[in-house]
Amino acid sequence: QVHLQESGPGLVKPSETLSLTCNVSGDSFRTSPYFWGWIRQPPGKGLEWIGSIYNSEITYDNPSLKSRVTLSVDTSTNQFSLKLKSVTAADTAVYYCVRHGARGYSYVDYWGQGTLVTVSS
Amino acid sequence: EIIMTQSPATLSVSAGERATLSCRASQSVSRNVAWYQQKPGQAPRLLIYGASTRATGIPARFSGSVSGTDFTLTISSLQSEDFAIYYCQQYNNWPPGPFGQGTKVEIK
Repeated sequence: QVHLQESGPGLVKPSETLSLTCNVSGDSFRTSPYFWGWIRQPPGKGLEWIGSIYNSEITYDNPSLKSRVTLSVDTSTNQFSLKLKSVTAADTAVYYCVRHGARGYSYVDYWGQGTLVTVSS
Repeated sequence: EIIMTQSPATLSVSAGERATLSCRASQSVSRNVAWYQQKPGQAPRLLIYGASTRATGIPARFSGSVSGTDFTLTISSLQSEDFAIYYCQQYNNWPPGPFGQGTKVEIK
């Protein structure tokens, strides 16, 4: 069974960098054919795809986030990370780390439980 | 960019009744649509992929169908645990997503 768990600060100040890590168990970045991504959900709103990574290569980076996103993978710890710089209140959301398939199969089969990040001074 | 439009925004249904949720793609996405269920305070859960294939462990009362660019999720007999928000997502084109705006199924 695959399990994803987000971790990171729940409160970030405006203009600073949001940093989250996702710990993955039950699958291995070294051998998995799957992609790993981040999706967020502002309070009371819908789902927005942030970006995805495969084999340490960023495969998608939502242009609406204006190049503020950095994604990375640490194969030694089986974790992947999200950094979102220059945050504003509009970045307040529940952030989910996810596993999804490759092009043509990119539905999400596993989700982390989500972590609420609030941007406020 | 492909736009996924869900309707209705809210669906009021009694337990035991059938619920029919719609999702329309702005262009052809073949059968590459998934449906997710999200309950309050929880992450979404994959229900259906390939327009009509149930994910592992999903009860048979959930079914999906497609006609052209119109996708339908049907819950044949609503159970209390089915009251939730449902999202569709296309994955025919890259990048993945977007998601529809969601349909809330509430108790009538």
